Amino acid sequence: GAVVSQHPSWVICKSGTSVKIECRSLDFQATTMFWYRQFPKQSLMLMATSNEGSKATYEQGVEKDKFLINHASLTLSTLTVTSAHPEDSSFYICSASRESGGANVLTFGAGSRLTVL
Amino acid sequence: AQSVTQLGSHVSVSEGALVLLRCNYSSSVPPYLFWYVQYPNQGLQLLLKYTTGATLVKGINGFEAEFKKSETSFHLTKPSAHMSDAAEYFCAVYTGGFKTIFGAGTRLFVKA
Repeated sequence: GAVVSQHPSWVICKSGTSVKIECRSLDFQATTMFWYRQFPKQSLMLMATSNEGSKATYEQGVEKDKFLINHASLTLSTLTVTSAHPEDSSFYICSASRESGGANVLTFGAGSRLTVL
Repeated sequence: AQSVTQLGSHVSVSEGALVLLRCNYSSSVPPYLFWYVQYPNQGLQLLLKYTTGATLVKGINGFEAEFKKSETSFHLTKPSAHMSDAAEYFCAVYTGGFKTIFGAGTRLFVKA
């Protein structure tokens, strides 16, 4: 079955540093990947849609200079949280899209918990 | 605009009891509907999906859901709850354009 690997699972960093999170589709090509942010006990908030070889499309209210997304290949998308601050602490989840029966089925990574001190 | 409403942010059942998690959607076009499960500190895992055809869909771990167009519902059920079913469940709708809309989630508690 389709597998999406997300790394790192946990990361703790100092305020002002940048953190990169990787999202890889292991056994299929994903032209489109998505990045979400999830606050405690809440649903997923779509941050951006990442398309291979082009600029990401950010949702309203998401700072593109703060959350840099790169989708350089059909199996890898990265999210870089630049100059992280404590308010950026959250659970970040990626997903990769593949078509199944005409529907856009999402396969999710295991998530990355970011804690900014 | 598309939307998903999950009735009840928390549902508590006894082990062995029926599980019923409610989901209603709003869509101007025929929707594709999904249920995902999330265990603590993990990503989401697809439980089942409805695209076309049979309206009763069976998924993993004994879960099933029925698409009822007249009621715009896609409720998730399981005849007998197990302790391992305790998790967060998300209903989602996809109507094209690579956008999937998620409900707010329902946390299922299973009592021994």
